[in-house]
Amino acid sequence: DAGVIQSPRHEVTEMGQEVTLRCKPISGHNSLFWYRQTMMRGLELLIYFNNNVPIDDSGMPEDRFSAKMPNASFSTLKIQPSEPRDSAVYFCASKTGTAMNQPQHFGDGTRLSIL
Amino acid sequence: KQEVTQIPAALSVPEGENLVLNCSFTDSAIYNLQWFRQDPGKGLTSLLLIQSSQREQTSGRLNASLDKSSGRSTLYIAASQPGDSATYLCAVRPGGGADGLTFGKGTHLIIQP
Repeated sequence: DAGVIQSPRHEVTEMGQEVTLRCKPISGHNSLFWYRQTMMRGLELLIYFNNNVPIDDSGMPEDRFSAKMPNASFSTLKIQPSEPRDSAVYFCASKTGTAMNQPQHFGDGTRLSIL
Repeated sequence: KQEVTQIPAALSVPEGENLVLNCSFTDSAIYNLQWFRQDPGKGLTSLLLIQSSQREQTSGRLNASLDKSSGRSTLYIAASQPGDSATYLCAVRPGGGADGLTFGKGTHLIIQP
């Protein structure tokens, strides 16, 4: 079975540029999560969707960040304009909601460097 | 606000030893607790999930316990192997229907051959 697929794996760009991270969840999973991992703060939840609807975006750091899920098989996390402090590894995860105690399955992440 | 702490931050032991990783959380109103493994440059792999009503879960050489009332969980690894070297992360899912996880910062484990 294909796992959660994230692209790109690495992104290096200059500050001020728009960055778009992409995620394809596992087929049949109806919950999708975006996390950010840094050395200082560890893994933090940014936003999650159930059935393509954003449920909790309280972790999104500021208005420069936005996330969409136009359909069940695709989500994007966009940063515009990007800043050096946005440099981190961004993870997407998905899970099935058909049973309450299901684990989240993570992609391999996008390592983002803002110069 | 829920806070998750993992001790120790790093651990290095010889191959074959049994070891215990610790996780504590400040708000006992959790739905479940998960232990993950993270290899360098990779995502997280779920190892064990303990429901709030359970006391422990086992998978092969791994055993995780949960004491919800005291806000503690342990991950026990028996007969450690070099392939167990990784970062181990503990995460809690809050009660009340929210689904996002709150993570500890992890324990970086090295098993010496």
